[in-house]
Amino acid sequence: DAGVIQSPRHEVTEMGQEVTLRCKPISGHDYLFWYRQTMMRGLELLIYFNNNVPIDDSGMPEDRFSAKMPNASFSTLKIQPSEPRDSAVYFCASSLASGGTTDTQYFGPGTRLTVL
Amino acid sequence: QKEVEQNSGPLSVPEGAIASLNCTYSDRGSQSFFWYRQYSGKSPELIMFIYSNGDKEDGRFTAQLNKASQYVSLLIRDSQPSDSATYLCATEGSARQLTFGSGTQLTVLP
Repeated sequence: DAGVIQSPRHEVTEMGQEVTLRCKPISGHDYLFWYRQTMMRGLELLIYFNNNVPIDDSGMPEDRFSAKMPNASFSTLKIQPSEPRDSAVYFCASSLASGGTTDTQYFGPGTRLTVL
Repeated sequence: QKEVEQNSGPLSVPEGAIASLNCTYSDRGSQSFFWYRQYSGKSPELIMFIYSNGDKEDGRFTAQLNKASQYVSLLIRDSQPSDSATYLCATEGSARQLTFGSGTQLTVLP
């Protein structure tokens, strides 16, 4: 079974450009998470969805960031306009709410974003 | 203060030794705790989770939880060079979101 799929794997763009990151969660999973990882701040949760509905976007750094999940198999994270400080690895993860207290999050390979 | 604190390391141990990784958390309401391993340039992968006080063993890995002290640890027995990675501790919030520590970099020396 395919894991979480992210695209692109690498993105290099110039400051001010729009960047769109894409994620396909594991089929059947009903939670989807977007994280950002940098050396300085570690792994930070940006936003997460349950059944395609955004639950908590308090980790989104500012209005330049937006995320959507139009259906159960696809999500996007958009940065407009991008800035050099947005350079990071962005991970998407998904999990299945089994009704228990512990659900494994499976991470995608990440998108390494560089904003020049 | 970060909600989840880890010694950033780096931690070096010789092959065959026991590696001990530690984590403290601030939210007393946290119920579930996770250890993820992340190889350089790769994504985090789950090693173990624990939600009851005491020890939980899985192969060479043992997770220990002490809720009174708000302390979680991971022991790796018979450490191998392939265990060299960054280990991330995480707590789970009420809505299944994870809060990660900054990670401890482990190097196992052959």
